[in-house]
Amino acid sequence: GAVVSQHPSWVICKSGTSVKIECRSLDFQATTMFWYRQFPKQSLMLMATSNEGSKATYEQGVEKDKFLINHASLTLSTLTVTSAHPEDSSFYICSARDPPVDTQYFGPGTRLTVL
Amino acid sequence: TQLLEQSPQFLSIQEGENLTVYCNSSSVFSSLQWYRQEPGEGPVLLVTVVTGGEVKKLKRLTFQFGDARKDSSLHITAAQPGDTGLYLCAGARTNAGKSTFGDGTTLTVKP
Repeated sequence: GAVVSQHPSWVICKSGTSVKIECRSLDFQATTMFWYRQFPKQSLMLMATSNEGSKATYEQGVEKDKFLINHASLTLSTLTVTSAHPEDSSFYICSARDPPVDTQYFGPGTRLTVL
Repeated sequence: TQLLEQSPQFLSIQEGENLTVYCNSSSVFSSLQWYRQEPGEGPVLLVTVVTGGEVKKLKRLTFQFGDARKDSSLHITAAQPGDTGLYLCAGARTNAGKSTFGDGTTLTVKP
């Protein structure tokens, strides 16, 4: 299957700092990528849909100024958590859609801990 | 209102037993995926079903898509401890549309 990478796999930062997470599709071009947040023992919560070359579409309740998304190329989307606070600590997962098979493939996730 | 109802939420069984996980909705989906996720990792795609009534088999796993494309099931035969994990169903209502995820089923298979 298609491979999606995420970097970093984990990050610990101080409150008030910004953290950037990268999501890359390694063997296919993804015009659409998705960013999810997951709390322990819960399902995935969609945060935003990232479209290459255009603005991201955010889900209701997700602050676009806090979670900045950039999809500058067909293989890279980034999520920047700005002015992070402890309540932003979570597992963030990206996925990329492989158009020919219309299926999402997920990255391995990034564990963010804000002290 | 949850678009995709997944049941059961938790399931703990002994090695060798069979189990079925259900994913139900009142909406029609153009495609439905099943994923398995282990702690600290991203979900891994198991199967995609697109045709009503479709049945797909992956070793001991059997996936079925309902005739009306509103529901799906995952059946595991002779479960093994390695099957332990969070199973997620996800449906897309239109081609290239965003997917909606069920709440997940946490499966524990005891040796």
